[in-house]
Amino acid sequence: KAGVTQTPRYLIKTRGQQVTLSCSPISGHRSVSWYQQTPGQGLQFLFEYFSETQRNKGNFPGRFSGRQFSNSRSEMNVSTLELGDSALYLCASSLGGPGADTQYFGPGTRLTVL
Amino acid sequence: AQRVTQPEKLLSVFKGAPVELKCNYSYSGSPELFWYVQYSRQRLQLLLRHISRESIKGFTADLNKGETSFHLKKPFAQEEDSAMYYCALSGLGNFNKFYFGSGTKLNVKP
Repeated sequence: KAGVTQTPRYLIKTRGQQVTLSCSPISGHRSVSWYQQTPGQGLQFLFEYFSETQRNKGNFPGRFSGRQFSNSRSEMNVSTLELGDSALYLCASSLGGPGADTQYFGPGTRLTVL
Repeated sequence: AQRVTQPEKLLSVFKGAPVELKCNYSYSGSPELFWYVQYSRQRLQLLLRHISRESIKGFTADLNKGETSFHLKKPFAQEEDSAMYYCALSGLGNFNKFYFGSGTKLNVKP
């Protein structure tokens, strides 16, 4: 099976702009989670989508949003970018059954905000 | 508040030596604990989870609820074990909401 893919792999934006990142899960996986990884804060949970519904949410401001499509592909959007949003954004997919699943991670999208 | 602490940023051992990567957690409910590993130029991947009680690549981890710890151990480290290791926690009803520790870089010297 193909692994989790994320596009684009690298992005450079300026403050105030918005950005959309995409994640395609492993075939058959219905859950997609997003994480922000920074040297200072480590891996922080953004949100999880399951069957097109947000099932879990982390402690990020409303500028961070996401959605999931009927084919389980997911996008996350960050509006009004700030310098502190520079990070590696990881997406992970899983089957989405009850309880915590094994997460299969993508390679990440490196976002740089200037 | 839910929290995962990995006190060591870097752990260096010689090949063949025992290794223990520490993980302590704070969680008010029933935790599920995991270890994820990231080898150089590879993706983050699951190493083991406490529910399975498996030994993967010679690594084991025991959940100690009294000490709120989930330390990762291997009796004889190999050079190919050099990687970044992350301890992660989820909980009953939290589905896939994970809290990750800051990670420990394991360096196994020849």
